[in-house]
Amino acid sequence: KAGVTQTPRYLIKTRGQQVTLSCSPISGHRSVSWYQQTPGQGLQFLFEYFSETQRNKGNFPGRFSGRQFSNSRSEMNVSTLELGDSALYLCASSPGDRNYGYTFGSGTRLTVV
Amino acid sequence: AQTVTQSQPEMSVQEAETVTLSCTYDTSESDYYLFWYKQPPSRQMILVIRQEAYKQQNATENRFSVNFQKAAKSFSLKISDSQLGDAAMYFCAYSSNSGYALNFGKGTSLLVTP
Repeated sequence: KAGVTQTPRYLIKTRGQQVTLSCSPISGHRSVSWYQQTPGQGLQFLFEYFSETQRNKGNFPGRFSGRQFSNSRSEMNVSTLELGDSALYLCASSPGDRNYGYTFGSGTRLTVV
Repeated sequence: AQTVTQSQPEMSVQEAETVTLSCTYDTSESDYYLFWYKQPPSRQMILVIRQEAYKQQNATENRFSVNFQKAAKSFSLKISDSQLGDAAMYFCAYSSNSGYALNFGKGTSLLVTP
C-alpha cells in the first residue's frame, strides 16, 4: 500500500513568488492535513480538508491556502513568499477519524531566498 | 488552546537499555487523543503509539509503551530494549475530540549509543 506522497521534495523560491505543494494521501483516506515545521516554531498546524471541505484552519495568514480534489489529493499554495516561510511542509492523511492517527509524508523542504 | 510540553530536549540511552520520554499537556477537555511520533533524519513522521483518553489501559506496541496519567495530564513514552534504529526526534501530540489538528510538543532528541 503506497504511503503519503509529497511533491516536490525540495524547492527553492525567491521572495515574492508563489509556490504550490502537492500531497497524495493513502488510498481510501479522505482527510488531508498540512503542517509547517521550522526549528524555531516547531510543528504548526496549517489546515485540514475532508471530502473537499476545509474543516479546520490554523493561525496562519491568508497567504497560505489549500484545496482538496475529488480524488482526495491536496495542494497547498503560499503566495508572496517571505524568508520566514522557509520550512519543511508536511502532509498527513487519515481515513477521517482522528482515532486512527495520521500518516505523514516525507515533506517538501521549501527554501525562500 | 491546548499546549503540549516536552521538558527534555535531548536524551541518551545505551543499546538494550530502557528510556522514558516525558510529555505533559494542558487541556480542559475530557475526551481527546494522544500520540507519540518519531521523526528520523529521513524526516518522515512515523506514528509510534496512540492513546485514547477515555481508555484507562495504557497503550503498548511491542517495545513501546506509555504511562498515561489523565489526572496529572501526563503521557510518557517508555522504550524498552533500545535499538540503534530508535535514534530520532520524538514528538508528543494532542488531538481534541472536537477538532482535527495535532498540537505537537517541541520534541525530544533521542541518541542511542552502542
